Amino acid sequence: EADIYQTPRYLVIGTGKKITLECSQTMGHDKMYWYQQDPGMELHLIHYSYGVNSTEKGDLSSESTVSRIRTEHFPLTLESARPSHTSQYLCASSEGRTGPGYGYTFGSGTRLTVV
Amino acid sequence: KNQVEQSPQSLIILEGKNCTLQCNYTVSPFSNLRWYKQDTGRGPVSLTIMTFSENTKSNGRYTATLDADTKQSSLHITASQLSDSASYICVVSDRGSTLGRLYFGRGTQLTVWP
Repeated sequence: EADIYQTPRYLVIGTGKKITLECSQTMGHDKMYWYQQDPGMELHLIHYSYGVNSTEKGDLSSESTVSRIRTEHFPLTLESARPSHTSQYLCASSEGRTGPGYGYTFGSGTRLTVV
Repeated sequence: KNQVEQSPQSLIILEGKNCTLQCNYTVSPFSNLRWYKQDTGRGPVSLTIMTFSENTKSNGRYTATLDADTKQSSLHITASQLSDSASYICVVSDRGSTLGRLYFGRGTQLTVWP
């Protein structure tokens, strides 16, 4: 049973609109992540957070921004959506280091289409 | 450069047959290797996690093997079912990363036909 939730599951929006993708987890995990995934391609890290008030950019440059005001909530915002932002966005959380005892859980994703 | 390569890119098998997916990696220093199953339009779900000292790990009909010397892993699926149709992703993490750095393969797209 997933303990990390993303909304919406699907979003079709016009160019220039501001959008926020929601991600919440109930596991009390400190670390949270946003990944971008295009069809048939690997996941790319775009943002991560070590905890409240901590946010960092990932490996893949993204025009999106994130915030972490509460442990359980890690929303991603696009101020002005463009067709190039069309992709699947996956949120994940983990207890800490990626040793075998530390869970790393993904949400179901948001499929974003910008027209 | 830390990389994870998977083969084949796609695979079609008949229901009830077995199959093996491959993963080669260059991530160093190695911490652990995970196999995930990702259904279309969903997030990845963990199947197995293996550390340097583990050679094999099973989860039902899924059996993963790891050869840390040759930096290769395989995922064997036994008696395939239609519900096994999905992308299978190999993910490797490096040791000592405070971020929890993961390196992802592009996945093998498995299709099981009736």
